[in-house]
Amino acid sequence: GAVVSQHPSWVICKSGTSVKIECRSLDFQATTMFWYRQFPKQSLMLMATSNEGSKATYEQGVEKDKFLINHASLTLSTLTVTSAHPEDSSFYICSARLDYTDTQYFGPGTRLTVL
Amino acid sequence: LAKTTQPISMDSYEGQEVNITCSHNNIATNDYITWYQQFPSQGPRFIIQGYKTKVTNEVASLFIPADRKSSTLSLPRVSLSDTAVYYCLVGTNSGYSTLTFGKGTMLLVSP
Repeated sequence: GAVVSQHPSWVICKSGTSVKIECRSLDFQATTMFWYRQFPKQSLMLMATSNEGSKATYEQGVEKDKFLINHASLTLSTLTVTSAHPEDSSFYICSARLDYTDTQYFGPGTRLTVL
Repeated sequence: LAKTTQPISMDSYEGQEVNITCSHNNIATNDYITWYQQFPSQGPRFIIQGYKTKVTNEVASLFIPADRKSSTLSLPRVSLSDTAVYYCLVGTNSGYSTLTFGKGTMLLVSP
């Protein structure tokens, strides 16, 4: 149980384009999902907290207009990287929190490469 | 959020028991301790969670002393496939806090 999927698993795009990444909790409902970014040989950095039916909460230094988050249902959150640039190339990982706990279950990640 | 300190890396051989200790001196009364495993280019995988004493599941054991200022993840008889980064995190189980990942411990298992 507690499976989280992400789509796509990898994407290559041109600079200036937008990319949408989906995060789904497959066998449980998640009021809260999280988006992380991980650069090579570094730890996960929390970008934002996504709450179903409300606006996301962004961490300091993360541009909310660049990283658009939508959490329209209890099983789906999306992250859209707008006007992507090469410095946005990274490994993006989502997680879904089991309600009433702090246990997060992570997706497999999405490798974004911006040319 | 309580800060955690782990060894940067550890080496072991197949079949050995590996113990990774995490320090969390400022752990709060309501904080739980959770360990995740991450392979390269994959999302972290939940291993085990505990509050006090000892917790055991099919893959690991978690030992937490009475003062809860540290915890030890024990992996019995490791194999090459256990080579990964292991993260120790603390947080409340209220459903309201976020997780802060430290640098983790890179475990290398050799034949």
